[in-house]
Amino acid sequence: AQKITQTQPGMFVQEKEAVTLDCTYDTSDPSYGLFWYKQPSSGEMIFLIYQGSYDQQNATEGRYSLNFQKARKSANLVISASQLGDSAMYFCAMREDLTGTASKLTFGTGTRLQVTL
Amino acid sequence: NAGVMQNPRHLVRRRGQEARLRCSPMKGHSHVYWYRQLPEEGLKFMVYLQKENIIDESGMPKERFSAEFPKEGPSILRIQQVVRGDSAAYFCASSPEGAQGYTFGSGTRLTVV
Repeated sequence: AQKITQTQPGMFVQEKEAVTLDCTYDTSDPSYGLFWYKQPSSGEMIFLIYQGSYDQQNATEGRYSLNFQKARKSANLVISASQLGDSAMYFCAMREDLTGTASKLTFGTGTRLQVTL
Repeated sequence: NAGVMQNPRHLVRRRGQEARLRCSPMKGHSHVYWYRQLPEEGLKFMVYLQKENIIDESGMPKERFSAEFPKEGPSILRIQQVVRGDSAAYFCASSPEGAQGYTFGSGTRLTVV
C-alpha cells in the first residue's frame, strides 16, 4: 500500500479563494509526523507546515492550515486567500517512528496547483 | 546563516562518466539526507548520513551509487558510470540532532547525455 497518497494530480483555484489539497497516509506507527512542502517552478523545496501525530490541535502557519483527521488518516492542506504566487507543486510527506532513529521522509506524488485571476 | 548549499546546480555528464554531487548542511546540522526526484514525480529517499556514518541506505541503488559525509567537508553523492536513467534532480536536506524537520537545498539537476 502507498504510504502517502495524493489523489489530485492538478487543481485550479481562483485568486483570493481557499483551496484544499488532499493527502491520506498509511502507517501502523503511533508516533509520526506529517509535512507539506511547496515546489515552485524554480525547483526548490519549501517547507510549509508540520503536524505531529500527538498534536492536539491542527497546525496553522499564516495562510496555511492542516486539516488533520487522525481516524481517517488524512492530513489535507488548506490554503486560504490564494495568491498567484501559490501556483506550484505541493507535496505531502510523512516521517514514521519519531522516537527512533528512522528519519526518512516518504513523499506523495504531488498536486500541481494553478491559481487563476 | 546560510541554508543547505548544493553544488553544482546543474550537471551534465556523458554516459559512463562519474557524477559527484556536493551538499553542505546548515551550520549546526549533523544529519544529512539525499533524495532523488525523477521528472513529474515526488522525492524518493536514498540515504541518511551522520558525520562519518551511514545510518540508512535503504533507498540507494545497489550498484554505482555511494554517499559519504566526512568529518570535515561536505557530503558527497557519487554516481559512477552514469546512465540516462540517472537523469533527475538530486536534493540534499539537513537537520540538527533530534529535530523533526528538514531544510532542503535547491537541488542538483543531473542530465546524462
